[in-house]
Amino acid sequence: NAGVTQTPKFQVLKTGQSMTLQCAQDMNHNSMYWYRQDPGMGLRLIYYSASEGTTDKGEVPNGYNVSRLNKREFSLRLESAAPSQTSVYFCASSFLGGAQTGELFFGEGSRLTVL
Amino acid sequence: EDQVTQSPEALRLQEGESSSLNCSYTVSGLRGLFWYRQDPGKGPEFLFTLYSAGEEKEKERLKATLTKKESFLHITAPKPEDSATYLCAVGSQGAQKLVFGQGTRLTINP
Repeated sequence: NAGVTQTPKFQVLKTGQSMTLQCAQDMNHNSMYWYRQDPGMGLRLIYYSASEGTTDKGEVPNGYNVSRLNKREFSLRLESAAPSQTSVYFCASSFLGGAQTGELFFGEGSRLTVL
Repeated sequence: EDQVTQSPEALRLQEGESSSLNCSYTVSGLRGLFWYRQDPGKGPEFLFTLYSAGEEKEKERLKATLTKKESFLHITAPKPEDSATYLCAVGSQGAQKLVFGQGTRLTINP
């Protein structure tokens, strides 16, 4: 049972470089999310997709773009990375909207360092 | 704006020493309060959903309770494998997203 799979697990970038974090889920979930987790800040929502074909901004969307490629896949792109984007990024999915059930399934995280 | 505050930030207990973690929240119409467990280097794992004041949920040595302003995660006779960060989150009526607290890092010493 793969669940939510994120790639890459680790990445080091230089300031100004771009990259895409990939996320795929095999649970036939409708909603998908990208969070970042920083020490002392908790989990903060970057973008989410309530269903295939829709995306919405979360708390901290600046500097990021997303694509809901199909029902399974939701990617996060950093167009011009900045040191402030050094963080651990988590993708999550849920069958219903997260606030309805609260039961999100998380990937194992992608650790990004921007030098 | 929905807010969640967890205390303490860190808690160190001896094996078998029971205690409680606190999650205080302010939300415009609570849809649900949710507890997660996160092990180092892993993503959070869902534990419980609580929908209304007075509700309780149990799982092994963990029991979650809910009032109108806060939730407690009670840990009874903990074991070292209960060591983890415990996260609390709230969902409000009509909202798609959850708001997470900063977590309590729990360490159980053998």
